Amino acid sequence: DAGITQSPRHKVTETGTPVTLRCHQTENHRYMYWYRQDPGHGLRLIHYSYGVKDTDKGEVSDGYSVSRSKTEDFLLTLESATSSQTSVYFCAISQGLADYNEQFFGPGTRLTVL
Amino acid sequence: AQSVAQPEDQVNVAEGNPLTVKCTYSVSGNPYLFWYVQYPNRGLQFLLKYITGDNLVKGSYGFEAEFNKSQTSFHLKKPSALVSDSALYFCAVRSGTALIFGKGTTLSVSS
Repeated sequence: DAGITQSPRHKVTETGTPVTLRCHQTENHRYMYWYRQDPGHGLRLIHYSYGVKDTDKGEVSDGYSVSRSKTEDFLLTLESATSSQTSVYFCAISQGLADYNEQFFGPGTRLTVL
Repeated sequence: AQSVAQPEDQVNVAEGNPLTVKCTYSVSGNPYLFWYVQYPNRGLQFLLKYITGDNLVKGSYGFEAEFNKSQTSFHLKKPSALVSDSALYFCAVRSGTALIFGKGTTLSVSS
């Protein structure tokens, strides 16, 4: 999976609790992304980062925040988890932002919010 | 807005037969198109991309895709399917920062 790890791989939590998911890469790629995958929706972009401390919102960013203090780590935080955030979360990286750059994906984190 | 559509939720094919997984796109400007495959409990794996040039793009695991500008399609193909090709396939188009994904097509190859 292209030198990308995600932790935890599985998590069950309760509504209203904070949750942080971690993405770690060993490729030294500048760009990192968080997507969520839901049946019937494919993957949708939550947030992305274009460098240390540089982040921006994606299509479905409400209820999520991110941080990137080091090139290799990109954290996704659910401040107060809701059942609608039950999903599989994927981290991705890319070498550049050019249209022709493909993205490489991590193994995913399955999050269940009860 | 950029979008892709995968009109088939599932495609069934017998091992050894050719397979096609369909994708149509809607973009303003030049399309940058991608195919990914997802095996159970795994992340997405990049298969191939179309940027410009030859309309037939070759990728990993014997897959290829044909770009057709007049039909706004980018169908994924393989001449001879394997049981191990059974997986979920996603077409995607580049839109600014993100990839916009189709909803996915489940390919089932029977022996």
